[in-house]
Amino acid sequence: EVQLVESGGGLVKPGGSLRLSCETSGFIFSDYSMIWVRQAPGKGLEWVSSISSKSGYIYYGESLEGRFTISRDNSKKSVYLQINNLRVEDTAVYYCVRDARPGFLEWYRLFSFDYWGQGTLVTVPS
Amino acid sequence: QSVLTQPPSVSAAPGQMVTISCSGSASNIGYSSVSWYQQVPGAAPQLLIYDDYKRPTAIPGRFSASKSGTSATLDISGLQTGDEADYFCGTWDDSLNSWVFGGGTRVTVL
Repeated sequence: EVQLVESGGGLVKPGGSLRLSCETSGFIFSDYSMIWVRQAPGKGLEWVSSISSKSGYIYYGESLEGRFTISRDNSKKSVYLQINNLRVEDTAVYYCVRDARPGFLEWYRLFSFDYWGQGTLVTVPS
Repeated sequence: QSVLTQPPSVSAAPGQMVTISCSGSASNIGYSSVSWYQQVPGAAPQLLIYDDYKRPTAIPGRFSASKSGTSATLDISGLQTGDEADYFCGTWDDSLNSWVFGGGTRVTVL
């Protein structure tokens, strides 16, 4: 059974930092691109960042690069999201997501998101 | 403002059909396959449709989708109260080198 379990969320003051973690199981982690998607309260889904299976392709959402850093450790079957200089508008549930298309070779792009974690809440008070 | 455009809401009576549109451009829907996600209140999103029209095995046939040019549609037939949820379309934008979502459509069963 595929499982994605996020951790690391919490209440952080503006300007602070957080490192979100996503531990996975039930699939060959090193074959898949991984993604972080966030959802602000009452809002839609926002793609935050993605990292290809061997970390060769890393992308960030518009205006997020610079404060957000995605990484992965294939030996630990985990993906991470470092967020620095947190802002009020970063308040959201952050989901760890798996891209549906596996590959021995790295994919430069994403295809669809077949497994989602339960999410971890990041709150940055005003 | 989302790159993909969806209507904010649609509604219909139980047993009826609703159609949700998702409009994009040549660099996203016109280039890549579209997927659809259902998010019931309080839960994480789940994959409903991938590769424009394919359904994961657990998704009932009442959910169908298609794509033409730079637009995609999701149809939900035989509407049930359990279908009340937010629905999002998404695809890869090759000009932006990013994934893009639609703004989401709230489905209400009257």
